[in-house]
Amino acid sequence: EPEVTQTPSHQVTQMGQEVILRCVPISNHLYFYWYRQILGQKVEFLVSFYNNEISEKSEIFDDQFSVERPDGSNFTLKIRSTKLEDSAMYFCASSDRLHLNTEAFFGQGTRLTVV
Amino acid sequence: SQQGEEDPQALSIQEGENATMNCSYKTSINNLQWYRQNSGRGLVHLILIRSNEREKHSGRLRVTLDTSKKSSSLLITASRAADTASYFCATAPTSGNTPLVFGKGTRLSVIA
Repeated sequence: EPEVTQTPSHQVTQMGQEVILRCVPISNHLYFYWYRQILGQKVEFLVSFYNNEISEKSEIFDDQFSVERPDGSNFTLKIRSTKLEDSAMYFCASSDRLHLNTEAFFGQGTRLTVV
Repeated sequence: SQQGEEDPQALSIQEGENATMNCSYKTSINNLQWYRQNSGRGLVHLILIRSNEREKHSGRLRVTLDTSKKSSSLLITASRAADTASYFCATAPTSGNTPLVFGKGTRLSVIA
């Protein structure tokens, strides 16, 4: 069964460092998303991406964040200068249509720890 | 405003019992989805119910949707220890490209 894969599964970084979280969405999907979940909290939307551009972003997704689809298979989330409060589980998701009528498929997540 | 609030926050039952989790939301939705998350793992889609549907079944799962009350329930029948996980409802609002909005989840513990 096709799945969304994320790497690494766990990343520890020092405050102020840049991190890139990687995702390989399901191959025929067109919509890509990043969500995050701070430990014990709800899953929060960060950004959606369609047709090689951001289609929607939340207040969390400030100038420190960027996304890219550098080739036909990868979808990355970059945090330019990490802060302690960026520590969270980051989930990538993809869908073949907008959430309006279909489920999103989530990866296993990358646990980011900023020290 | 908060969207997709589940209750209870935690539920502990014996294996074989049924587990019912509820979700309330505030805005108009296109559909409502339930996801499961094992501890520290990814989100697994369980079931999607559209706004014009009232009930849906999938194996041991039964989901209801009451759009007049803006609420949904997830029933897991004949629970197993392997059902132990957190369960989240997520709503797909009707407006534009807005993404899924998740609740805080219900942590279900099924004791063998």
